[in-house]
Amino acid sequence: DGGITQSPKYLFRKEGQNVTLSCEQNLNHDAMYWYRQDPGQGLRLIYYSQIVNDFQKGDIAEGYSVSREKKESFPLTVTSAQKNPTAFYLCASSKPAAGGNTGELFFGEGSRLTVL
Amino acid sequence: AQSVTQPDIHITVSEGASLELRCNYSYGATPYLFWYVQSPGQGLQLLLKYFSGDTLVQGIKGFEAEFKRSQSSFNLRKPSVHWSDAAEYFCAVGGRYDMRFGAGTRLTVKP
Repeated sequence: DGGITQSPKYLFRKEGQNVTLSCEQNLNHDAMYWYRQDPGQGLRLIYYSQIVNDFQKGDIAEGYSVSREKKESFPLTVTSAQKNPTAFYLCASSKPAAGGNTGELFFGEGSRLTVL
Repeated sequence: AQSVTQPDIHITVSEGASLELRCNYSYGATPYLFWYVQSPGQGLQLLLKYFSGDTLVQGIKGFEAEFKRSQSSFNLRKPSVHWSDAAEYFCAVGGRYDMRFGAGTRLTVKP
């Protein structure tokens, strides 16, 4: 079955450490996204990538970094510069813009990061 | 800039009762509108979407939503709620790179 796989599901980190969250998709989607979810705030866009080797900052990119070396993979690194990294992180993908696609997002099951 | 407001943070309904979750949006053009559902600790699943045509759209799990341009609303409805509908519901506007989500409405279902 096609889908989006995020790992790990739970992650604990000490202050000052970088951590990388994995996101892999086998839906053959061109675009991929990272969102951060905090209680009562909905989802906020961190980074997105439209094609391989290209990515753009979202609304809250400070303290995060990404790479897109393969179509299937879009890892997110939470760096020590992120002041409040404890959150639920969601990866998503979407179909290409052509063919009348409406841009709906397909989500992974999320990764919960806790900073100790 | 586009934005979404979900006025109700938390709603409690009895099993078998009807449900309406409110969503108001601000968007410069004809919007693409979505409702997603999230179970605790899980990702989001698409319930339904609107982009043109009939303003009443049907989705999965017996949900429907009505687009009202004059009120900038896209409310989600279900005639009879089941205990398994307890979850958090998110309204979203836009698409792909400019998707904007509301803060969510948490639904509790009483037996």
